[in-house]
Amino acid sequence: QKEVEQDPGPLSVPEGAIVSLNCTYSNSAFQYFMWYRQYSRKGPELLMYTYSSGNKEDGRFTAQVDKSSKYISLFIRDSQPSDSATYLCAICLRIKAAGNKLTFGGGTRVLVKP
Amino acid sequence: NAGVTQTPKFQVLKTGQSMTLQCAQDMNHEYMSWYRQDPGMGLRLIHYSVGAGITDQGEVPNGYNVSRSTTEDFPLRLLSAAPSQTSVYFCASSYSKGSYEQYFGPGTRLTVT
Repeated sequence: QKEVEQDPGPLSVPEGAIVSLNCTYSNSAFQYFMWYRQYSRKGPELLMYTYSSGNKEDGRFTAQVDKSSKYISLFIRDSQPSDSATYLCAICLRIKAAGNKLTFGGGTRVLVKP
Repeated sequence: NAGVTQTPKFQVLKTGQSMTLQCAQDMNHEYMSWYRQDPGMGLRLIHYSVGAGITDQGEVPNGYNVSRSTTEDFPLRLLSAAPSQTSVYFCASSYSKGSYEQYFGPGTRLTVT
């Protein structure tokens, strides 16, 4: 079983719809939870991070963490064609000597149609 | 700032050949790392460095070497290329080993025939 599972998609939605993305993880020691966005043929860029259960909002984006269920979500409101990308969840374990060990999900490809 | 730069963008190698993927950052970041990205597998850590002169293995280090002689540069060497090393390689950096945000380069697409 992979440490972080993510549905690969693709997820196709009409412009203006809400996009809902999810990841599940197996290691309850994970401490930080992140979402990266990756446009085609580009490197990932950090979109949001959180370290506690609950919701965190940033503009049209909401990250949600449920540590008891080991489940994280990203919601994109009022989706735009420019949101078309692959979204990677990343979960972080802090190790004293080595620093932050990031484990990535496989990514979900999202297509927002005009 | 150029951020994290990688060269080359594309490379085709024959089995058994060796090569070095270059990575540089101009943000004075302490922490640098190399990942490979394969379809459905996510990003997997190959090697990382918490500062100049210090490197360590990640999740999938076999077949790769790294060194970090300066803060700016972190090259990845493929010793004897194999088809299983066909992948997209990303270099990333962060301010320190304790930083959660990593800045990624644009990637190198490598094909080994």
